[in-house]
Amino acid sequence: AQSVTQLDSHVSVSEGTPVLLRCNYSSSYSPSLFWYVQHPNKGLQLLLKYTSAATLVKGINGFEAEFKKSETSFHLTKPSAHMSDAAEYFCVVSDITDKLIFGTGTRLQVFP
Amino acid sequence: EAQVTQNPRYLITVTGKKLTVTCSQNMNHEYMSWYRQDPGLGLRQIYYSMNVEVTDKGDVPEGYKVSRKEKRNFPLILESPSPNQTSLYFCASSFLPGQGGLNYGYTFGSGTRLTVV
Repeated sequence: AQSVTQLDSHVSVSEGTPVLLRCNYSSSYSPSLFWYVQHPNKGLQLLLKYTSAATLVKGINGFEAEFKKSETSFHLTKPSAHMSDAAEYFCVVSDITDKLIFGTGTRLQVFP
Repeated sequence: EAQVTQNPRYLITVTGKKLTVTCSQNMNHEYMSWYRQDPGLGLRQIYYSMNVEVTDKGDVPEGYKVSRKEKRNFPLILESPSPNQTSLYFCASSFLPGQGGLNYGYTFGSGTRLTVV
């Protein structure tokens, strides 16, 4: 069965420093992987997706993620955090029935 | 604008009073799904539908019903709501895997915050 583990429930960074949100997945086949962001009192917005094309995926707002099959990881990164990046981030894997399986989320805090 | 529209955004109701949360998409997506979001648990799938008149249970279907009479609509029905169904609900839609090409991906509604007292 597919599953997703987000390794940090909270991450705090200073504005202008790099962001790393970690995600490991488990899948019995080649998965589709996503990162979604949820700002306070807002819906979910797709940041980026991996669907078996290039392993380095670029998303919106300067975020990117690298699919590493050998490490079963799909970590989200950004070179320089902005205050507007403060939100909750979800790593998601899609199973063979197209069901989305969500991680429990990582709350990103950005300090000035 | 391509979107998934949920209504209402906020709802407070009493135990046992039937309610329906509507969901509509304008992207001609075959796949639609309902999720609930609870603190520390992420989002969990309630029901999904892969096409008109085709629905199936997700991970937490107890206490919920759905219908898919038209491609664009996928209402969530709580026949007899209970306080443990207090949650934030999201509807989502997408093309089926292998379809949609670069447009494959999920679009979420803005959410419905339900409180059952």
